[in-house]
Amino acid sequence: GAVVSQHPSWVICKSGTSVKIECRSLDFQATTMFWYRQFPKQSLMLMATSNEGSKATYEQGVEKDKFLINHASLTLSTLTVTSAHPEDSSFYICSAGRTNSPLHFGNGTRLTVT
Amino acid sequence: DAKTTQPNSMESNEEEPVHLPCNHSTISGTDYIHWYRQLPSQGPEYVIHGLTSNVNNRMASLAIAEDRKSSTLILHRATLRDAAVYYCILRDMGGSEKLVFGKGTKLTVNP
Repeated sequence: GAVVSQHPSWVICKSGTSVKIECRSLDFQATTMFWYRQFPKQSLMLMATSNEGSKATYEQGVEKDKFLINHASLTLSTLTVTSAHPEDSSFYICSAGRTNSPLHFGNGTRLTVT
Repeated sequence: DAKTTQPNSMESNEEEPVHLPCNHSTISGTDYIHWYRQLPSQGPEYVIHGLTSNVNNRMASLAIAEDRKSSTLILHRATLRDAAVYYCILRDMGGSEKLVFGKGTKLTVNP
């Protein structure tokens, strides 16, 4: 089946630094990628929709200047958490898909900000 | 986004069938019914989806009510590896195609 690779799987960073998370579709070209975050014992919350070559569409309440999304190609999207703070500690998950097809998810990145 | 309602939790015994219900009374004509599941500390995994007719695949079956206001995910023989949170999601295939997750049903499978 389709594979989405997310890297790194976990990261610890200091408050004030930035962290980049990569999402790659390994065996298909994704027309759209989505970024989610998930706090413990909660459901996934959609952060933004990313289409190759265009600006990401952010959900209400998500700061676009804090969560920078770059969708450089049909197989790669990156999420950069800028000036991270402890409250940004969460499980970040990407998904990728093509039009009219199911979405495939990465295995997530656990971010801990100290 | 159209919403779905699922029980918070369900329990099953190993090797028995499991019927996971989902209500979606405000479903629109372009909404497909999708099911995903999430094991602990992993990303969600696609299970099955359908529009109007019942669907079967190697993982599960999806039974859709005639009025499309409810559906049931059927796991024919639950295994311990099926213990997960199951999400029933309406996905507008005529629009943004984004998946908006609700709270899902936490399925516990007893040995």
